Amino acid sequence: DVKVTQSSRYLVKRTGEKVFLECVQDMDHENMFWYRQDPGLGLRLIYFSYDVKMKEKGDIPEGYSVSREKKERFSLILESASTNQTSMYLCASSLRGLGEGRETQYFGPGTRLLVL
Amino acid sequence: AQSVTQPDIHITVSEGASLELRCNYSYGATPYLFWYVQSPGQGLQLLLKYFSGDTLVQGIKGFEAEFKRSQSSFNLRKPSVHWSDAAEYFCAVGIYNQGGKLIFGQGTELSVKP
Repeated sequence: DVKVTQSSRYLVKRTGEKVFLECVQDMDHENMFWYRQDPGLGLRLIYFSYDVKMKEKGDIPEGYSVSREKKERFSLILESASTNQTSMYLCASSLRGLGEGRETQYFGPGTRLLVL
Repeated sequence: AQSVTQPDIHITVSEGASLELRCNYSYGATPYLFWYVQSPGQGLQLLLKYFSGDTLVQGIKGFEAEFKRSQSSFNLRKPSVHWSDAAEYFCAVGIYNQGGKLIFGQGTELSVKP
């Protein structure tokens, strides 16, 4: 059974803190993604990676960075958290790199981040 | 530019009634289309997907969707809704040759009345 896990379900941080969100998949997938989900806006892509040490900006990368040192792990970093980064963060993975767009994405349960 | 629109933010149906959730897309090439469901407190789960061939696709949990190229639509349907179907539903289009990137719609929240 496919599995994407995220390090925390709920997180509370203070403005200016550095925040790490971790995502691990056990399916040997090449692609990994970070989204944020806000009411009425759906899912917006922050960053994605199609291989180890490779990363591509998504639609809303400002204020975020990512790290992928191992195939199974993709980290999202908020260098200096701000209140407008309060959101639900979802990680996903899919099988092939630079694919045709057909790949099913498998999602983790999400991390709800509150920045005070 | 590629985009996905779900015109209905929130829909309420009675248990046992039929359901149709609307999805319209804008994409220059042949679209790869997906419907995902998110139950409360959970991540997203794939319901069904369309790549080519038969325009009526069957998915899990009794859902189906019909691709209509002339209307740029991929509406999700279920003949009889169950209380456990209450969730948020997302339509998405797969972007060719961009690492499996998906563009999601805004989502439709489904409530089910007893």
